[in-house]
Amino acid sequence: EPEVTQTPSHQVTQMGQEVILRCVPISNHLYFYWYRQILGQKVEFLVSFYNNEISEKSEIFDDQFSVERPDGSNFTLKIRSTKLEDSAMYFCASEQEKETQYFGPGTRLLVL
Amino acid sequence: GESVGLHLPTLSVQEGDNSIINCAYSNSASDYFIWYKQESGKGPQFIIDIRSNMDKRQGQRVTVLLNKTVKHLSLQIAATQPGDSAVYFCAESLSASKIIFGSGTRLSIRP
Repeated sequence: EPEVTQTPSHQVTQMGQEVILRCVPISNHLYFYWYRQILGQKVEFLVSFYNNEISEKSEIFDDQFSVERPDGSNFTLKIRSTKLEDSAMYFCASEQEKETQYFGPGTRLLVL
Repeated sequence: GESVGLHLPTLSVQEGDNSIINCAYSNSASDYFIWYKQESGKGPQFIIDIRSNMDKRQGQRVTVLLNKTVKHLSLQIAATQPGDSAVYFCAESLSASKIIFGSGTRLSIRP
């Protein structure tokens, strides 16, 4: 069964450093998303991406964040200068066509 | 505004009994509702969904009920098993775009 994959599974970084989180969505899906989950809290929407551009973003997704689909398979989330409060699980999700979103296993980001 | 809430943060049930997890939503414009299961250290796993033109949908051992009059959603799990232990999130979406998650109910199973 096809699934969303994410790398790395864990990332530890120093405050102020740049991180890139990678996702490989399900191959025939068209809509891509990033969410995050701070420990013990609910999952929060960050950004949606369709047709090579951002379709919607939350107030969390400020200028420090960017997304890219550099080739036909990868979907990346970049945080330019990480802050302590960026520590969270980051989930990628993909969707075929206005249907169910399927989530990846997540990347646990720890900013020290 | 957009908000999805859950009535109880924890639920404990006897193995083999049925579980019912409740959820209230506030955005009457939402037209798509989903239940996700999240096990420790993993991503949300799709369980079942329902669109606003339906009031009930059944899957394998799970049933989702939607009451639009009182903006209430429930998940019923039949014959609960140890593997059902997880946090369950209800979520809503407007026209199948971004998903707004509720705060989660932790389901634990007593042997």
